[in-house]
Amino acid sequence: DAGVIQSPRHEVTEMGQEVTLRCKPISGHDYLFWYRQTMMRGLELLIYFNNNVPIDDSGMPEDRFSAKMPNASFSTLKIQPSEPRDSAVYFCASSPYPGTPGSPLHFGNGTRLTVT
Amino acid sequence: GDSVTQMEGPVTLSEEAFLTINCTYTATGYPSLFWYVQYPGEGLQLLLKATKADDKGSNKGFEATYRKETTSFHLEKGSVQVSDSAVYFCALTYSSASKIIFGSGTRLSIRP
Repeated sequence: DAGVIQSPRHEVTEMGQEVTLRCKPISGHDYLFWYRQTMMRGLELLIYFNNNVPIDDSGMPEDRFSAKMPNASFSTLKIQPSEPRDSAVYFCASSPYPGTPGSPLHFGNGTRLTVT
Repeated sequence: GDSVTQMEGPVTLSEEAFLTINCTYTATGYPSLFWYVQYPGEGLQLLLKATKADDKGSNKGFEATYRKETTSFHLEKGSVQVSDSAVYFCALTYSSASKIIFGSGTRLSIRP
């Protein structure tokens, strides 16, 4: 089991540029989550998908952020245009069914985004 | 609403010291409770879990007991090592929910 795979591990970009973060969930996991982690706000849920369909995007900070899941093995989080305050570590996580008692999330190693 | 409250860090201990990281929760139902650990440069990974009252989760020398009467799930370890230095997150989820609620995290540093 390769685990949740995120790319790139690090991204440095200039303000105003488009940024795309990628995630491959664990095969067979029907739920996919995108989180953002900063020192100031901790771990924030941005959006989650069930069977490739976005279920709750209330955590997406603004229209500059968008997420897609075109198939069961791939998801993207896009920021356009990027701003310095978007600098954070972005995590993708997947789960077979997080509602099952004791079923945990499986996290990728994150993408560290720096916007200058 | 439902929430998880952890003790604020950072927590700094000497090697072989006893560790307690407090976690309390508020919930309207009967959640499952988790502790996740995040090592530097990595994502969160499950450390231990408990699904019902009085259950004890344990892993790698860490333990936590689901206390419904005090709505707590405190993390303990009898003798910490330098390699335990990490950020620890308490979390809850419901059997009927599709989201996990995380605490704010507690940074632990162990001195040799």
